[in-house]
Amino acid sequence: DVKVTQSSRYLVKRTGEKVFLECVQDMDHENMFWYRQDPGLGLRLIYFSYDVKMKEKGDIPEGYSVSREKKERFSLILESASTNQTSMYLCASSVGTANTEAFFGQGTRLTVV
Amino acid sequence: LAKITQPISMDSYEGQEVNITCSHNNIATNDYITWYQQFPSQGPRFIIQGYKTKVTNEVASLFIPADRKSSTLSLPRVSLSDTAVYYCLVGAVARQLTFGSGTQLTVLP
Repeated sequence: DVKVTQSSRYLVKRTGEKVFLECVQDMDHENMFWYRQDPGLGLRLIYFSYDVKMKEKGDIPEGYSVSREKKERFSLILESASTNQTSMYLCASSVGTANTEAFFGQGTRLTVV
Repeated sequence: LAKITQPISMDSYEGQEVNITCSHNNIATNDYITWYQQFPSQGPRFIIQGYKTKVTNEVASLFIPADRKSSTLSLPRVSLSDTAVYYCLVGAVARQLTFGSGTQLTVLP
């Protein structure tokens, strides 16, 4: 089974802190994604990476950055956490360039106080 | 981007077949139709994907008419554990998928 592992299930951070959310996948997938999920808004794509050191902005990249130094690991960085970044964050991975099957992690519920 | 319309919620009883219909009027030629399932406090899980006609796997069937402007996810003989949110998405690759609010399916005993 494909496994996408997010480092924390729950996280509480203070406003202004720099926050790192880590995601690791074990299936050698080229593509990795970060989404946030909020009630009534569905999942929204923050950033996408199709290869090591490559990244593309998604629909809501403001206030976030990403890092992909190794193929299996994709990090989401909140440079200066704010309360409106309180959300469920979901990492996913997929293989190839013509494929709509993505594998999701369990999610990290981040609360910024 | 294709505009997706699917029911907000549906109720069913255990053992029944459930059909969830999704409309996507402006689907592009290269787009696939993909369905995901999400349980509370978990990430979405891929169920099935199709381009046209009918696709069946061990979990569900997907019916797509010739004009591809709609699709129907069919879940045979649902159980209580099928209670979840079901998302209909269209896109050619995973990064193009846009998750809307989905359909909350509640299976009653």
